[in-house]
Amino acid sequence: ELKVEQNPLFLSMQEGKNYTIYCNYSTTSDRLYWYRQDPGKSLESLFVLLSNGAVKQEGRLMASLDTKARLSTLHITAAVHDLSATYFCAPEETSGSRLTFGEGTQLTVNP
Amino acid sequence: DGGITQSPKYLFRKEGQNVTLSCEQNLNHDAMYWYRQDPGQGLRLIYYSQIVNDFQKGDIAEGYSVSREKKESFPLTVTSAQKNPTAFYLCASTNPSGSVYEQYFGPGTRLTVT
Repeated sequence: ELKVEQNPLFLSMQEGKNYTIYCNYSTTSDRLYWYRQDPGKSLESLFVLLSNGAVKQEGRLMASLDTKARLSTLHITAAVHDLSATYFCAPEETSGSRLTFGEGTQLTVNP
Repeated sequence: DGGITQSPKYLFRKEGQNVTLSCEQNLNHDAMYWYRQDPGQGLRLIYYSQIVNDFQKGDIAEGYSVSREKKESFPLTVTSAQKNPTAFYLCASTNPSGSVYEQYFGPGTRLTVT
């Protein structure tokens, strides 16, 4: 059974600062997805990481995947208030077709 | 516009009643999923279907039932056997291309049972 651990679960940071969210998972997975959820809303796809060493960047967010370490990171550069949301990582099970979601990291960016 | 619709957005029911949540997609996706989200929690998989007329239990299927009679529709019934049905329910779909299972989500239905 694939288990996913995100940390931190809660992150409060100042605008302009950098920080990294970590996503560890328990069994082999070659692909991982990051999603964003605004309060009361559904999930929006952010990044699709398809292989070991994959790195994707969009604006102030950069995601990476290390399948050997079973670790993905989401790095935030020079945070702005608009990034306040909950971020979920979801590795894909090796059988395909299923994702297992982490608990989410609730990010608050303060002015 | 292609997308996933869920209705209703808010649903209120009395304890002991069955209730059906609708999920429709016009993305021509083969696979569809139902998740439950409780406040401050991640998503937990209830049921999923990779093809019409076939579906599999997820991690928390007890007290729920589904059907997949059409490719575009995957309704979820929350039965009276579900002990704590109040939650946010999310439907998703995907069409694996090159075995990529990026899921697209509907807007969700917030169910309150009293």
